[in-house]
Amino acid sequence: GQSLEQPSEVTAVEGAIVQINCTYQTSGFYGLSWYQQHDGGAPTFLSYNALDGLEETGRFSSFLSRSDSYGYLLLQELQMKDSASYFCAVRALNSGNTPLVFGKGTRLSVIA
Amino acid sequence: DAGVTQSPTHLIKTRGQQVTLRCSPISGHKSVSWYQQVLGQGPQFIFQYYEKEERGRGNFPDRFSARQFPNYSSELNVNALLLGDSALYLCASSLNDRVRDTQYFGPGTRLTVL
Repeated sequence: GQSLEQPSEVTAVEGAIVQINCTYQTSGFYGLSWYQQHDGGAPTFLSYNALDGLEETGRFSSFLSRSDSYGYLLLQELQMKDSASYFCAVRALNSGNTPLVFGKGTRLSVIA
Repeated sequence: DAGVTQSPTHLIKTRGQQVTLRCSPISGHKSVSWYQQVLGQGPQFIFQYYEKEERGRGNFPDRFSARQFPNYSSELNVNALLLGDSALYLCASSLNDRVRDTQYFGPGTRLTVL
């Protein structure tokens, strides 16, 4: 099975940079995804890393290192609206359909 | 473009009752997945349907069932409700791309079991 570990909470100042880590234990997976969920809202897709390295999408970047079983989401120029929960997720490498497995999420609080 | 829609938005039931939740996917998406999310946790996979066939089932009891209709909408049924079934039930549609399979989530149905 897959197991993903994330810090439960992170607090950062508006305008700063924050990194949310995700460590995982899985025998093999297609790639690492990140989703954002505001309170009372639905998860929305942010980023996907199929290969090792950095993927950049505007203020958000995501990194994957398969050799270290580690990934992170980097948020730059933090805004108050970035206060939300962030989930990493993987799909196991398999010949059949496998579901997306989510971490427990990191609650980010952006303060003034 | 319309996103994933779910109904109802909120539901209150008592233990032992049965509930049906509904989901309409994004136009063009043939895959629908259901997730349960309890407070403070990530979404947990329940079912995936593609072209009206069950493609995956998570670790949930047989009280949970689902189906997909010819128009790709879907229903999730839960029988003999328990207090522990109280959660946000999320439906997600996708293109069923085996590698990435980005999930597009609906707003969810908040189920409270008393």
